[in-house]
Amino acid sequence: AQSVAQPEDQVNVAEGNPLTVKCTYSVSGNPYLFWYVQYPNRGLQFLLKYITGDNLVKGSYGFEAEFNKSQTSFHLKKPSALVSDSALYFCAVRDTNYQLIWGAGTKLIIKP
Amino acid sequence: DTAVSQTPKYLVTQMGNDKSIKCEQNLGHDTMYWYKQDSKKFLKIMFSYNNKELIINETVPNRFSPKSPDKAHLNLHINSLELGDSAVYFCASSQAINSYNSPLHFGNGTRLTVT
Repeated sequence: AQSVAQPEDQVNVAEGNPLTVKCTYSVSGNPYLFWYVQYPNRGLQFLLKYITGDNLVKGSYGFEAEFNKSQTSFHLKKPSALVSDSALYFCAVRDTNYQLIWGAGTKLIIKP
Repeated sequence: DTAVSQTPKYLVTQMGNDKSIKCEQNLGHDTMYWYKQDSKKFLKIMFSYNNKELIINETVPNRFSPKSPDKAHLNLHINSLELGDSAVYFCASSQAINSYNSPLHFGNGTRLTVT
């Protein structure tokens, strides 16, 4: 079955430290992977995507994600966290019918 | 300019009432969606339309009826509202239904509270 897992409900990071939000996937065929961020009382905003090519993808707000085919992972990273990065982060993958399969979301809390 | 806009932002109503949520996108996209986000923040697709045609209709009670007068608009009408319908409803759009790499663009949501 095609699926996306975000194993952590919440990630706590001190401001200025690097952050990682984990995502693993299971999909038939080539994976097309996305990260979105949701700030309180707002809709989801697209951060970055992996389609093909370089395993390190750069996105908005200084975020990047590393695609690892052997581990079927697409972890979201940022070298130095900001308090304003605190939000809910969703990983998603396109299935073979072009539909997005969503992870359950990870709440990221950056403490000053 | 707001790319995907939905109204109202908040909707409080009583059980049994009928209500509508409107959505418009000015991105020139072919495909529009309705998603439901529950209190645990899980996202569930409800419907998708491509060029005014219904493409996806997930297991949603038939009290929910989407309508797309043109490809820039997708409205959601809900009949006989129930307590369990309380959630945040998001409208979204993307360039094309059959594109693997098109991201979705979301509206800011409509928080529906049924009392």
